Amino acid sequence: ETGVTQSPTHLIKTRGQQVTLRCSSQSGHNTVSWYQQALGQGPQFIFQYYREEENGRGNFPPRFSGLQFPNYSSELNVNALELDDSALYLCASTIGHGISYNEQFFGPGTRLTVL
Amino acid sequence: SQELEQSPQSLIVQEGKNLTINCTSSKTLYGLYWYKQKYGEGLIFLMMLQKGGEEKSHEKITAKLDEKKQQSSLHITASQPSHAGIYLCGAGSTGTASKLTFGTGTRLQVTL
Repeated sequence: ETGVTQSPTHLIKTRGQQVTLRCSSQSGHNTVSWYQQALGQGPQFIFQYYREEENGRGNFPPRFSGLQFPNYSSELNVNALELDDSALYLCASTIGHGISYNEQFFGPGTRLTVL
Repeated sequence: SQELEQSPQSLIVQEGKNLTINCTSSKTLYGLYWYKQKYGEGLIFLMMLQKGGEEKSHEKITAKLDEKKQQSSLHITASQPSHAGIYLCGAGSTGTASKLTFGTGTRLQVTL
């Protein structure tokens, strides 16, 4: 069984640029969520994808967007990067959505630094 | 919106000592998750609790959810250096997305 994987592990960008982060869900998991974790804080929910559609979104602006592919892998895109976007971006996968309290497994994260 | 408060914020214990971390919610908990995180790395799933009064154990770690489902505790028995890290509690959502709301974490150091 393959766990959740993310790429790249580290990334440095400058303000105004765009970035794409990638996540492969755990085998058999059809739901992917993305979280942003600033230094010293708990992860903040960005959005979730289920069956290739956005299924819930946190308090993040539209320049944060995503995709889910038929194999359940996912991308997080951030446009017009700002300094405050510097954070650890975590991907989590699970089975199902909604009020289903299944185990959620996280990937190792992508550390994004915006200069 | 739901808020989770963890206490203590940080903890230093001597190897072999027991410790408890608490997680208190502003609303009823529907699915409470405990994770461990090494600095700057991903979250390692520890346990998930759903029912009031539920208790689960894995190796030397025990987690409980109180009857009123507004507080959870994580207890580590005979701590080891491998237990060091940041412990995060996360609350499940009753909305359409199974999002988690996290506390700010408890940083645990285990000294020799």
